[in-house]
Amino acid sequence: NAGVMQNPRHLVRRRGQEARLRCSPMKGHSHVYWYRQLPEEGLKFMVYLQKENIIDESGMPKERFSAEFPKEGPSILRIQQVVRGDSAAYFCASQGQRKETQYFGPGTRLLVL
Amino acid sequence: DQQVKQNSPSLSVQEGRISILNCDYTNSMFDYFLWYKKYPAEGPTFLISISSIKDKNEDGRFTVFLNKSAKHLSLHIVPSQPGDSAVYFCAERGSQGNLIFGKGTKLSVKP
Repeated sequence: NAGVMQNPRHLVRRRGQEARLRCSPMKGHSHVYWYRQLPEEGLKFMVYLQKENIIDESGMPKERFSAEFPKEGPSILRIQQVVRGDSAAYFCASQGQRKETQYFGPGTRLLVL
Repeated sequence: DQQVKQNSPSLSVQEGRISILNCDYTNSMFDYFLWYKKYPAEGPTFLISISSIKDKNEDGRFTVFLNKSAKHLSLHIVPSQPGDSAVYFCAERGSQGNLIFGKGTKLSVKP
């Protein structure tokens, strides 16, 4: 099953630490979207990347958050100096071509203590 | 301000009956709408979509209706099955392909 992979599935960090979330898109997909779901909320768009390029980061918080999708390897969402408000489920979705269906990974549940 | 609204946080339906999930949107520029289904501890799964040039799309037990003048879409599930119990998200597709989601409706189908 070559679906969208995310790891880790669960991540616990203390305030001030760094969190790194990884997303491997489906085989042949070069478009990746990251979304965040806060408790009792819908998913909110964060960033859209293609290989080696950030296309749209309008949903990313201005500080502490960054994302990359290198030529080789998974897409990484990095959160520096985490705070309790960063606790959420983070989902990535991959897409073959623009405007095709997005397929979601299982998510990473981040808990900041 | 929410661009996609799902005003019913939950819905309970008897097995075999029809489930109707509703969604309202504010931006008439969006041209593509989707429904995703989500089980706990899993990612959303694509269910069905509709383009703004249509008013209905059907796939098996699932039908999506779009009323552009009312900026309203609905998902009908007939007949409902216990395995349909999940959270259903309505979404619009934005200009860069990003999805704009509602808050979801939790559907419970009782045997």
